[in-house]
Amino acid sequence: SQQGEEDPQALSIQEGENATMNCSYKTSINNLQWYRQNSGRGLVHLILIRSNEREKHSGRLRVTLDTSKKSSSLLITASRAADTASYFCATVPYGGATNKLIFGTGTLLAVQP
Amino acid sequence: DGGITQSPKYLFRKEGQNVTLSCEQNLNHDAMYWYRQDPGQGLRLIYYSQIVNDFQKGDIAEGYSVSREKKESFPLTVTSAQKNPTAFYLCASSPLSVRSGNTEAFFGQGTRLTVV
Repeated sequence: SQQGEEDPQALSIQEGENATMNCSYKTSINNLQWYRQNSGRGLVHLILIRSNEREKHSGRLRVTLDTSKKSSSLLITASRAADTASYFCATVPYGGATNKLIFGTGTLLAVQP
Repeated sequence: DGGITQSPKYLFRKEGQNVTLSCEQNLNHDAMYWYRQDPGQGLRLIYYSQIVNDFQKGDIAEGYSVSREKKESFPLTVTSAQKNPTAFYLCASSPLSVRSGNTEAFFGQGTRLTVV
């Protein structure tokens, strides 16, 4: 079963704008990760946030985690056309197989030049 | 040049045939995974392995089989029992962090399987 649900399913913005994607999950977690997938390609890891962390930054990416609401958000600032891709959250459930990643349904981001 | 390699990139199968998808990694990772992705959807876990000669079923294992005879290799066989095998298949690997599980996964570029 898929652990995460992402919102929105699709997002279209102009270059330079910020993009925010949200992820909700169902069970307690060890960590939550965000991945990017270009069309027809494999996934690339973007950022990992542990269950005891509330916010993390990496370049133009900002991730927040609210374990009380079982939700996370990914903010991409000053978006570029090259950011066009699908973005997935993935969770490692607490107490389960150590590195078993369970993926959400993804958000398709289109950045218009 | 370390990484994870899937082959072939495209695969066509006739109904009733078994096919095997290859996945090889030279990252010295203990854990390996197979996921299935259908158009416009997320990834669903088929099988995973945390150690050689051991593997566990994921959420959609029916109609699939795997082996893990070597640390570097985790081939997936799509059998004739899988009724709807047309999909994009992704292999991944990760270090096995027993204490925390706080490690990322590395993905191959995928194999697109089409039943003709």
